[in-house]
Amino acid sequence: AQKITQTQPGMFVQEKEAVTLDCTYDTSDPSYGLFWYKQPSSGEMIFLIYQGSYDQQNATEGRYSLNFQKARKSANLVISASQLGDSAMYFCAMSLRTINTGTASKLTFGTGTRLQVTL
Amino acid sequence: EPEVTQTPSHQVTQMGQEVILRCVPISNHLYFYWYRQILGQKVEFLVSFYNNEISEKSEIFDDQFSVERPDGSNFTLKIRSTKLEDSAMYFCASSDGVPEAFFGQGTRLTVV
Repeated sequence: AQKITQTQPGMFVQEKEAVTLDCTYDTSDPSYGLFWYKQPSSGEMIFLIYQGSYDQQNATEGRYSLNFQKARKSANLVISASQLGDSAMYFCAMSLRTINTGTASKLTFGTGTRLQVTL
Repeated sequence: EPEVTQTPSHQVTQMGQEVILRCVPISNHLYFYWYRQILGQKVEFLVSFYNNEISEKSEIFDDQFSVERPDGSNFTLKIRSTKLEDSAMYFCASSDGVPEAFFGQGTRLTVV
């Protein structure tokens, strides 16, 4: 069974600074995907970034990058140049299988990290 | 931009009543999911649905729960006889087979 661990219940960062949110995972399956979602106070889940287990390069999407260290089983999210609007709950998640195998692959979520961006 | 739409946004129901939560997935998506999030806790998988049948379900998804795709656009979650512990945010998600799933804005269910 797969497991996601987020050890930081809360983080503070000053506006314009970079912040790293930690995520470690556990699976024996060689094919998996790692995701980060943002949940603002309004409650919706917003997809941020994805990394496949076979991807050679770390994923980047604008100010978000995923620091993927396969040997350490970690998939940390780096947010550069933090903005006040980044204040939210951030969830790391994993699914098995990175390609379309004709079956729906569920997401397993971590417990989340609440990020607060300060002036 | 296409999005997953859930209705209602908030539902209050009495214990023991049946509720139906509705979702309209993104139109070309083939994989559908329900998740729930009890207040302040992590998001938990309930059920996945593909090709008009359940692909996988969690131990939470017991006989009180059912899912249906009654037509080409809607995807519903029914809770037959609600309990207090069913109070949670329920998220519908859909995917077209690429790894990321897109979530709806959620339905907050309150059982009183």
